[in-house]
Amino acid sequence: ETGVTQTPRHLVMGMTNKKSLKCEQHLGHNAMYWYKQSAKKPLELMFVYSLEERVENNSVPSRFSPECPNSSHLFLHLHTLQPEDSALYLCASRETGTGREKLFFGSGTQLSVL
Amino acid sequence: EDQVTQSPEALRLQEGESSSLNCSYTVSGLRGLFWYRQDPGKGPEFLFTLYSAGEEKEKERLKATLTKKESFLHITAPKPEDSATYLCAVRFGGATNKLIFGTGTLLAVQP
Repeated sequence: ETGVTQTPRHLVMGMTNKKSLKCEQHLGHNAMYWYKQSAKKPLELMFVYSLEERVENNSVPSRFSPECPNSSHLFLHLHTLQPEDSALYLCASRETGTGREKLFFGSGTQLSVL
Repeated sequence: EDQVTQSPEALRLQEGESSSLNCSYTVSGLRGLFWYRQDPGKGPEFLFTLYSAGEEKEKERLKATLTKKESFLHITAPKPEDSATYLCAVRFGGATNKLIFGTGTLLAVQP
């Protein structure tokens, strides 16, 4: 148990569906992240919520929409996805501040888009 | 362009056969280099942080070292349970304070 919990672990959806991924951290951290992990590619940062500020990767399509209602919860809303969006989606958290830069990851949601 | 490259892409070792994984980087203003271990079906798990050239960190059979251009993860007398993907990530300074990951090295240790 890493202290970062993601649900669901697996998700299969059609291109017209709407679904949401959930992440919860029990570590008291104040920054949360969504990463995308595809085979043979580096982890790709999608969104950051840090001290109530949102930073996003401008290359992420608008069919991905994050929500961070408080410092412990993070959602990724999905709609009209494409097959190339199939990947492992990882949530991570950390404390902000110098010397506290290591990320704690959840186990991820393996997403398949048909 | 800031970049992180890991080699080899995959490595197969016999139990007890020591070796090293490499992470080379071309970034300006290094703020930290991180090693993670990732098991199948799980998220990456933090191993080490290195901040300056010459620094070394150890944990059980693993030892991480850092120079100005690269980091090595040395695995001494590995066991089958060391089999995993090892990820390197580099944080660099500037306005973006960005973290860049490498593509990882898939390590298989055979009994």
